Amino acid sequence: QVQLVESGGGVVQPGRSLRLSCAASGFTFSIYGMHWVRQAPGKGLEWVAVTWYDGSNKYYADSVKGRFTISRDNSKDILYLQMNSLRVEDTAVYYCARDSQQWLLHGSLDYWGQGTLVTVSS
Amino acid sequence: DIQVTQSPSSLSASVGDGVTITCRTSQNINNYLNWYQQKPGKVPRLLIYAASSLQSGVPSRFSGSGSGTDFTLTISNLQPEDFATYYCQQSYSTLPFTFGQGTKLEIK
Repeated sequence: QVQLVESGGGVVQPGRSLRLSCAASGFTFSIYGMHWVRQAPGKGLEWVAVTWYDGSNKYYADSVKGRFTISRDNSKDILYLQMNSLRVEDTAVYYCARDSQQWLLHGSLDYWGQGTLVTVSS
Repeated sequence: DIQVTQSPSSLSASVGDGVTITCRTSQNINNYLNWYQQKPGKVPRLLIYAASSLQSGVPSRFSGSGSGTDFTLTISNLQPEDFATYYCQQSYSTLPFTFGQGTKLEIK
């Protein structure tokens, strides 16, 4: 069955960096676009970034553009989110999620990981 | 960016009732509108994609409609497990793929 397992979260000081990973299994990772979505404590969902199935295109929310980088390793079935210059307002549970459509990007997210908590605090 | 406005932010209903949640976008997004359910401490679950298509495994009491800028999620015959927070999300070609603010459905 489809599984997405995030890791790499933790407590980090403002201005520092962190890299999240999302290990995928149970499906052909290399033919699906992949997303990161975050949820601050007690708040709603915020879409963060997407990468095309082959990594050829990447898009970001304005709130993270220039600081976060999404990438993927299709040989290892792993999605990454490199987070630099972290801010207190980046504190959230970060979810990786699969786009529902093969090859093309639909934007609906049919499988989600369990999330990893990132806390930015001094 | 396309703005997504979801209403109401909360509502109360009883088991067996029907409810409707509305989502409005700032631009025409055709039918690129998706609905998710999230229970406390749980991962979001895709319910409806492309405005009205039911995701596999989702009960038929959930339905979606609309196109352009106005969309609705309707839940008929509410069951105890339906009390949760619901989010809409636009996935039109113009990124970012914005979520609505969420609607918390509580038991009356």
